[in-house]
Amino acid sequence: DTAVSQTPKYLVTQMGNDKSIKCEQNLGHDTMYWYKQDSKKFLKIMFSYNNKELIINETVPNRFSPKSPDKAHLNLHINSLELGDSAVYFCASSLEQGSGYEQYFGPGTRLTVT
Amino acid sequence: TQLLEQSPQFLSIQEGENLTVYCNSSSVFSSLQWYRQEPGEGPVLLVTVVTGGEVKKLKRLTFQFGDARKDSSLHITAAQPGDTGLYLCAGAVGNEKLTFGTGTRLTIIP
Repeated sequence: DTAVSQTPKYLVTQMGNDKSIKCEQNLGHDTMYWYKQDSKKFLKIMFSYNNKELIINETVPNRFSPKSPDKAHLNLHINSLELGDSAVYFCASSLEQGSGYEQYFGPGTRLTVT
Repeated sequence: TQLLEQSPQFLSIQEGENLTVYCNSSSVFSSLQWYRQEPGEGPVLLVTVVTGGEVKKLKRLTFQFGDARKDSSLHITAAQPGDTGLYLCAGAVGNEKLTFGTGTRLTIIP
């Protein structure tokens, strides 16, 4: 069974569209994250939720809106997509909030905006 | 914002050689992690170090946390093609978010 799963794996869309990426973890973890990895492979945190509560919200355009319906799910909705949003988006989870805990990453969603 | 610089950015060596990857910062970290990422997949944790000067070994991989907890190194002995991947260090202060390094892309040539 996949520990952290994301859908879709690939997403190709045009500028201006709205899209969502879904993430689910079956590890029983309390904390979930969204990261963005750019073309240079730099991985940067966007959001973190602990037990459905937003705890980290980095400097991300408000076109990006995370939603956590329960602690096993963290979805990412993006409005008015721009070329610069093209990247690989990773969902991750950890047992609890705290930097010392191992983070388990999903396989990533490659978003291409044309 | 803590910045973690990794060097080298790219490294391509022959199978059987040894190598060292460095992760440096001007900030002091309470813990530092190393991840390996293979193409098309997410990063996977290799090790966490928390004490200055700490050395941890994972088979042919040796990780060291600097005495001042500002830097770390990863040494691989007798590299194998299966070691190929993107190596990422990640540090944090207290319970703050993890900051990932700039990455080292390692290729082991059979």
